[in-house]
Amino acid sequence: SQTIHQWPATLVQPVGSPLSLECTVEGTSNPNLYWYRQAAGRGLQLLFYSVGIGQISSEVPQNLSASRPQDRQFILSSKKLLLSDSGFYLCAWSSKLGTSGSLAKNIQYFGAGTRLSVL
Amino acid sequence: GQQVMQIPQYQHVQEGEDFTTYCNSSTTLSNIQWYKQRPGGHPVFLIQLVKSGEVKKQKRLTFQFGEAKKNSSLHITATQTTDVGTYFCAGGGPRAGGYQKVTFGTGTKLQVIP
Repeated sequence: SQTIHQWPATLVQPVGSPLSLECTVEGTSNPNLYWYRQAAGRGLQLLFYSVGIGQISSEVPQNLSASRPQDRQFILSSKKLLLSDSGFYLCAWSSKLGTSGSLAKNIQYFGAGTRLSVL
Repeated sequence: GQQVMQIPQYQHVQEGEDFTTYCNSSTTLSNIQWYKQRPGGHPVFLIQLVKSGEVKKQKRLTFQFGEAKKNSSLHITATQTTDVGTYFCAGGGPRAGGYQKVTFGTGTKLQVIP
């Protein structure tokens, strides 16, 4: 079965410090990968998505960057955190469209999330 | 770009009452998905609708996709405290190879009063 791991669960960082959040997927290959941010009580904002190793698409201009060094690893980074970077960060994966089997529906499977507080 | 709005933003109901959330897209969708996020948790997939006018049921939950494939609704009959959470719709947009853009709605937060 497929699983998605995201860590850490909670993070408190000072303004201006760097950030690295990691997400890994097990049990599937060549997934689409996503990073979302959710402000308190708000909706999901897509930050980045990746369709393959080294392929990153950014949805909104921001202080963050993403990398995909391996097929099932997705990393969210920042060189200098801002107060406005606080939020709930969610990693997700989906199968490629056209993939055979029960996972062919472009359903997104989310990790448990990281609650980031920038102080 | 594609925008997906949900109403209401918040809803408080007495346990046993019905609840409905509505999802509206600025563009025609290829499909619509629904997710539930429990308080403190992450979104979990509930269902996907693909066909115009499609209606699907999961126990007390009824999902509908509009004829024009630009709107959808989720109706919960006789709410229970376990229904508490935020419900998101997600609209499937243009497809590029193995990737399809999915835009999440703004969400409806449901509170059930025992």
